[in-house]
Amino acid sequence: QKEVEQNSGPLSVPEGAIASLNCTYSDRVSQSFFWYRQYSGKSPELIMSIYSNGDKEDGRFTAQLNKASQYVSLLIRDSQPSDSATYLCAVKPANMLTFGGGTRLMVKP
Amino acid sequence: DAGVIQSPRHEVTEMGQEVTLRCKPISGHDYLFWYRQTMMRGLELLIYFNNNVPIDDSGMPEDRFSAKMPNASFSTLKIQPSEPRDSAVYFCASSKTGTGKEKLFFGSGTQLSVL
Repeated sequence: QKEVEQNSGPLSVPEGAIASLNCTYSDRVSQSFFWYRQYSGKSPELIMSIYSNGDKEDGRFTAQLNKASQYVSLLIRDSQPSDSATYLCAVKPANMLTFGGGTRLMVKP
Repeated sequence: DAGVIQSPRHEVTEMGQEVTLRCKPISGHDYLFWYRQTMMRGLELLIYFNNNVPIDDSGMPEDRFSAKMPNASFSTLKIQPSEPRDSAVYFCASSKTGTGKEKLFFGSGTQLSVL
């Protein structure tokens, strides 16, 4: 079992819809959780971080964390074609950040 | 801030040749990470440094790979001899110790092709 699991997609949503990206992790001691966005041919860039159970909102993005279920999600409201990218979930149990394989999101106009 | 700077952006070499990738972390950051990304394996951590000291190199695939960080502003990842299966994008990233909630900043990556 991989340490951080994501559905590879592609996840296709129409413009204006809510995109829901999910991630599960195996290490229960993990305390820090991140979502990175990676456009094709570019480097990952941090878009959200979450450390406590519950929801954290930043603009159109909402990160959700459930440590009991070892589950992290990212919601993108009012999806735009510019949101089309691969979204990487990252978990930090100690000093090393471990990435999931990423979910490719396609937002269709 | 200029961000994490990597060079070269692209490297094409022949099997058996030595390859050296370079990285300049963000000034003031005390952690430096080398990652490799492929379609098959995703983003893999190769090695990371704290205050220029290698902490964990368990992700380094084999002895052909070596990494150094002679000072706080420079690191290299060397592959000798290179093989076609080393073809990948290699990212350098840095972060700063603070509240324990460090965030990772990536360089633009080096696209390595070994023929």
